[in-house]
Amino acid sequence: DQQVKQNSPSLSVQEGRISILNCDYTNSMFDYFLWYKKYPAEGPTFLISISSIKDKNEDGRFTVFLNKSAKHLSLHIVPSQPGDSAVYFCAALKAAGNKLTFGGGTRVLVKP
Amino acid sequence: NAGVTQTPKFQVLKTGQSMTLQCAQDMNHNSMYWYRQDPGMGLRLIYYSASEGTTDKGEVPNGYNVSRLNKREFSLRLESAAPSQTSVYFCASGDGQYYGYTFGSGTRLTVV
Repeated sequence: DQQVKQNSPSLSVQEGRISILNCDYTNSMFDYFLWYKKYPAEGPTFLISISSIKDKNEDGRFTVFLNKSAKHLSLHIVPSQPGDSAVYFCAALKAAGNKLTFGGGTRVLVKP
Repeated sequence: NAGVTQTPKFQVLKTGQSMTLQCAQDMNHNSMYWYRQDPGMGLRLIYYSASEGTTDKGEVPNGYNVSRLNKREFSLRLESAAPSQTSVYFCASGDGQYYGYTFGSGTRLTVV
């Protein structure tokens, strides 16, 4: 039973346009939601997170939106750059236990 | 600023062979984790250690054992490797919540 799902395995976008990555979850007890970015042959690196008590968090070109009633979050990258080409993982965390649960990932390709 | 160091980076095993994946962190984190990454499955938790001296099973623990040697080191052992254990293995450490974990660069394991 996958508690965190990323239904789009891949996304292609033109440089300068917006990339929108989506993530759904089933467990309403998660306290934080995080996005990780992964380049080939490297480990995932933390990108941005949001607390379950907020509905938006912004950091530079990256914004995460949380819709608790729909159990849905999204990551917006504006403007997209070729260096953003990577696999993006959505993850969720319960503060008690401190264990991350990951989605399956979305591969983003930004075309110059 | 090494962060999380994993060895080896690559390994090929024959079915039935054993091996230990090593992981060390220099960030003074209490918690350490082992994940495996398979295509379309995201990262799945194998085992974790919330603090020195404790270990617990994650989502996919069968076929693996772990040892939390001290606060810095957390090893993963495959006693009798199987082709289904072909994967990329990531070690991580972290105590924070909103920023999740820091990951190592991974071990690519092939079992033939």
